[in-house]
Amino acid sequence: QSALTQPASVSGSPGQSITISCTGSSSDIGAFNYVCWYQQHPGKAPRLVIYDVKNRPSGFSDRFSGSKSGNTASLTISGLQAEDEADYYCSSYSRITTRVVFGGGTKLTVL
Amino acid sequence: EMQLLESGGGLVQPGGSLRLSCAASGFTIRNYAMSWVRQAPGKGLEWVAVSGGSGGNTFYASPAKGRFTVSRDNSKNTLYLQMNGLRAEDTAVYYCAKEGNYYSMDVWGKGTTVTVSS
Repeated sequence: QSALTQPASVSGSPGQSITISCTGSSSDIGAFNYVCWYQQHPGKAPRLVIYDVKNRPSGFSDRFSGSKSGNTASLTISGLQAEDEADYYCSSYSRITTRVVFGGGTKLTVL
Repeated sequence: EMQLLESGGGLVQPGGSLRLSCAASGFTIRNYAMSWVRQAPGKGLEWVAVSGGSGGNTFYASPAKGRFTVSRDNSKNTLYLQMNGLRAEDTAVYYCAKEGNYYSMDVWGKGTTVTVSS
């Protein structure tokens, strides 16, 4: 069982917006602004898409945005495109493990 | 361009050992914390261990403590993961990753597959 809870799947049509939630606790997401989101296409390595809750790596699409409220972080993808179909993982620093914990992952399907 | 290339995976019997390597190019690992993250077949990501940059400490996830050892050779710009006492549940793709801002992993290798089976 993962330390952070994500929905198993979400879906949306091209052009729509979707939001993926990531729920933790006061020991991780609620305590630190060290939330990241990773995109992973089948058979590929993960790729960082959001760091420090809401920052995008240089050159990454601004269709991806992150936010946090209390113990829950969210990734929003606007203007869905076929290439966004992938697994998405959240992570956070945890004061309990003193390192990174991951969510269980969410499979995004673009209909 | 910053790149990481893992090697050393393979099929090993339960109780056996493997040493994974992660060769970096385009940057110097001396300056960064470097992590190992694994992914069991059909499962999510699991952080395994980290080697702190600039002589920092090493830390391990509970399943790895006492069995895995992370090390680095800065002169070869290479990170290692020595895995002993391997179990079936260690079967996974093992990725190495460079840590950027505050526990983010901003560069990943393609991974190397470890299969523990008799």
